[in-house]
Amino acid sequence: EVQLVESGGGLVQPGGSLRLSCAASGFTFSGYWMHWVRQVPGKGLVWVSRISSDGSSTIYADAVKGRFIISRDNAKNTLHLQMSSLRAEDTAIYYCARVFGAGQFDSWGQGTLVTVSS
Amino acid sequence: EIVLTQSPGTLSLSPGERATLSCRASQSVTSSYLAWYQQKPGQAPRLLIYGASNRATGIPERFSGSGSGTDFTLTISRLEPEDFAVYYCQQYAGSPRTFGQGTKVEIK
Repeated sequence: EVQLVESGGGLVQPGGSLRLSCAASGFTFSGYWMHWVRQVPGKGLVWVSRISSDGSSTIYADAVKGRFIISRDNAKNTLHLQMSSLRAEDTAIYYCARVFGAGQFDSWGQGTLVTVSS
Repeated sequence: EIVLTQSPGTLSLSPGERATLSCRASQSVTSSYLAWYQQKPGQAPRLLIYGASNRATGIPERFSGSGSGTDFTLTISRLEPEDFAVYYCQQYAGSPRTFGQGTKVEIK
């Protein structure tokens, strides 16, 4: 069974940093591109970042470019999102998602809540 | 950036009724790279439809997708109690990936 489990969320002050992780199991992690998507509670889904299966290619939403870094450790079946210079508007539930086929997100984690507040 | 606009914002229907959700793109979605997701409160989104019209694994036949170019539709033929949720469309033809703002299907 495919499982994605996020961790690392919490309360952080504006300007601070946080590192999210997504532990993958039940599939060959190194064979799949992965994404991060966020959602302000009660609001819609917003794409954040994407990484290729080998980690060589990454892209970011304009809102996080230069502040967030997506990475992966295929040996440990783990996806990361290093977030720095955090702002109140980064407050959201962060989901990791697996890409299948042409690009649809066929598996999602349960999400981890990041709250940026003083 | 491809902007996706979903309508209506809220759909109030009774179990057994047919639901028709619309997703309109600001430019043509190449190869019908459009997906639909269902999200229930406190849960992660779940893939329903990909490639505009293909049901994902385990998705009941009452869910169907159609459309091409800039206009796409998700139809739920007969609403079951578990279908009341928020539905999002998403395009994966271009970068950045974008989602519609969602349609809430609520019990009338």
